Amino acid sequence: GEDVEQSLFLSVREGDSSVINCTYTDSSSTYLYWYKQEPGAGLQLLTYIFSNMDMKQDQRLTVLLNKKDKHLSLRIADTQTGDSAIYFCAESETGANNLFFGTGTRLTVIP
Amino acid sequence: NAGVMQNPRHLVRRRGQEARLRCSPMKGHSHVYWYRQLPEEGLKFMVYLQKENIIDESGMPKERFSAEFPKEGPSILRIQQVVRGDSAAYFCASSPGQQGRMNTEAFFGQGTRLTVV
Repeated sequence: GEDVEQSLFLSVREGDSSVINCTYTDSSSTYLYWYKQEPGAGLQLLTYIFSNMDMKQDQRLTVLLNKKDKHLSLRIADTQTGDSAIYFCAESETGANNLFFGTGTRLTVIP
Repeated sequence: NAGVMQNPRHLVRRRGQEARLRCSPMKGHSHVYWYRQLPEEGLKFMVYLQKENIIDESGMPKERFSAEFPKEGPSILRIQQVVRGDSAAYFCASSPGQQGRMNTEAFFGQGTRLTVV
């Protein structure tokens, strides 16, 4: 079955860039997503990318996709304390239904 | 426009009782998805519903779990005879369900945290 892997923890200093990495196994992945979960809250869709794209930029967020290596990354520029949260990578063949999530990366921003 | 609304936010049940979790999708959304998040894990897909239809229940446990999305009212995830292992956060998501770009985005509720004691 599909497998989505992320490292569990990342710490960065405020103002630095954060890079959160994700690898997946499903060759048929069409959509790749990044979600943010703050403590006790639901998931907030940050951004997503189609598998025929290499990069997508949205303000402080940059998503890079290496389809050959099945590697997805999320770069957050000028990381702020409010960015501290768990970031989930997810992939899907068909879009909004049946997303496969990674275990999440807990980002801690040190003031 | 209110987001996806789930209630209750927290639910405590004794072993053997029933748990009913409710989800009202975003206005205009006709597709609902339920996910379960066990402690320290990612979300796992359970079921995908449209109004009065179950589209994909491949992630639902075979026993004790059921889901519905009636013509009127919220979607309900029902867990009968709960056990300790059912303790988790249950998230509902919705999407417009239309073809094309809009169906790529699923919007999540804040979840219901079920604790079985």
